[in-house]
Amino acid sequence: KAGVTQTPRYLIKTRGQQVTLSCSPISGHRSVSWYQQTPGQGLQFLFEYFSETQRNKGNFPGRFSGRQFSNSRSEMNVSTLELGDSALYLCASSLFRGQGIETQYFGPGTRLLVL
Amino acid sequence: GIQVEQSPPDLILQEGANSTLRCNFSDSVNNLQWFHQNPWGQLINLFYIPSGTKQNGRLSATTVATERYSLLYISSSQTTDSGVYFCAVPGANNLFFGTGTRLTVIP
Repeated sequence: KAGVTQTPRYLIKTRGQQVTLSCSPISGHRSVSWYQQTPGQGLQFLFEYFSETQRNKGNFPGRFSGRQFSNSRSEMNVSTLELGDSALYLCASSLFRGQGIETQYFGPGTRLLVL
Repeated sequence: GIQVEQSPPDLILQEGANSTLRCNFSDSVNNLQWFHQNPWGQLINLFYIPSGTKQNGRLSATTVATERYSLLYISSSQTTDSGVYFCAVPGANNLFFGTGTRLTVIP
């Protein structure tokens, strides 16, 4: 079974631009979560989607948004990029059986550099 | 949110040595995961271990939920074991990650 895939793998943007990252979960997985990893803050939760609905959101500004499609693929968008948005963005998928956090499987990440 | 602390923050080993990584968490949890982040950034699942002990080859993990800690044992370390090891525990709807242990195995 194919793992979680993320595109693009690397991205360079300039301040003020916007960016869209994509995540395809493991087949059959219905929940997709996004995390940001930076050297200073570590791994932080951005948001989680299930059945095209955002179930939970971390403590990030409104410039960070996301969505999920009917095939469970998810995208996240960051508008008005700032230097501090440079990070590794990780997507994780899991089965959802309504019993709290399932085992999460992570994609290879998208490394974003904002200049 | 739940506080997760890992120790030591850095570890340098000679190939073939054994090591123990520790994860402490601040609240009762019903699950705990250990991950290895490789040099390219991918988080690889190692263990899903809410309690008890599990073994997978040279790696094993023990979680004592009542005392709020988990241990990851690496035996006969190899250079490919290098990377950062994270433990993570669930909150209401997301994982809380520790700060990681950076392991360097030198030949």
